[in-house]
Order: sequence, then C-alpha cells, then structure tokens
Amino acid sequence: SQTIHQWPATLVQPVGSPLSLECTVEGTSNPNLYWYRQAAGRGLQLLFYSVGIGQISSEVPQNLSASRPQDRQFILSSKKLLLSDSGFYLCAWNRQGVNEQFFGPGTRLTVL
Amino acid sequence: KQEVTQIPAALSVPEGENLVLNCSFTDSAIYNLQWFRQDPGKGLTSLLLIQSSQREQTSGRLNASLDKSSGRSTLYIAASQPGDSATYLCAVTGTYKYIFGTGTRLKVLA
Repeated sequence: SQTIHQWPATLVQPVGSPLSLECTVEGTSNPNLYWYRQAAGRGLQLLFYSVGIGQISSEVPQNLSASRPQDRQFILSSKKLLLSDSGFYLCAWNRQGVNEQFFGPGTRLTVL
Repeated sequence: KQEVTQIPAALSVPEGENLVLNCSFTDSAIYNLQWFRQDPGKGLTSLLLIQSSQREQTSGRLNASLDKSSGRSTLYIAASQPGDSATYLCAVTGTYKYIFGTGTRLKVLA
C-alpha cells in the first residue's frame, strides 16, 4: 500500500529565516506530486506540482520554491520567510493517469 | 477559470439525520470530482472519486452524485453520527490540477 509522509509536523520560524519542508511517498513510482497551502478559513491553494524528477510547475508567484530531487521526494523551500507564509502546508500525490489524489498529514507553519 | 463553490459553509444537525452537501463548479470540462473529509489539524482523507463518465459512487453510508451538465455534485450522508463531524471538501480535476471548494463544516450533535 502507498503511504505519504510529511515533516516536520509543526514548525515555528522567525521572519526572514529559511524553510525546508519535505514530503516522501512510499509504495508507488513516478507519482504526480503537489504542494498546497491552506490558510485559516480559506480553501486549498495549489502552490506547485511535479510530474517527474526535476519537473516543477509553479501556480502562484511568491516567496516559495519547490524541488523534486528524487522520484518520490518533494521539497518546499524558502530563502526568507514572510509573515504571510504562515499556514497549513499539505503534500499530495496521485498515480499518473489516475485522478484520485491522496494527502499527507500536513505541516503547520507559524512565522513570527 | 474554474470556480468551485460549496454550500452551506457550515451545518449542524442532530444525530441520525440524513443530509446533503452541495458542490457546484463553473466549467463542466472536468475529468473527475473527488470528495474529501478533513478533521481539524489533519490532512485530507479521500472519500469518493467520481469519474466524469459516472453519475454516482457509493461507499457505506456515503453516496456522491455528479451532474456535469449542470455543474453540480452532491454528497449524501445517511444516518449521520457524531463521528461524521468534520469539514467536507470537493475538488474537480483537470489534466493535472485540482480545484477545491472552501468546504462545508459539519457538526453532528449527539
């Protein structure tokens, strides 16, 4: 069976500090991978998606970047965090050609 | 641009009631529609996936229908229980992208 992991579960960072959130998927190969942000009281905002190693599509120009160094690893990064980067970050995956999406447990980021 | 709306935003019902959650979308050119459940502070759990060629899907006490021509989907929950309390989100899918509604927050009272 497939499993998706995210870490850390929670993170408190000062403004201007760097960020690295990691997501890994087990039990499948060549998945599509996604990063979403969920702000309080708002819906899920798609940030990035990837259909393969090194292939990243950005949906919203912002302070964040994503990388996919390995087939089942997706990393969300920032060089300098802003207060507005606070939120709940969710990683998700689906099998190529199958549009059923599965989510990780999420990372709660608070920028102070 | 695809927009997804969920009504009502919040719902409170007594235990045992049957209830319907609504999801509407503006562009009928979708591949699938997926319903999720989200508990507070948790990730999303997939409930049902309806392929664009299907009209409905069932899983236990849950039944989801899809009417592409009218841009609507409903999630029917039978005999609601306190454990059903959560936020329910729908998402429509294109080639790669998923567009989510803002969810319906459901509270089932014991």
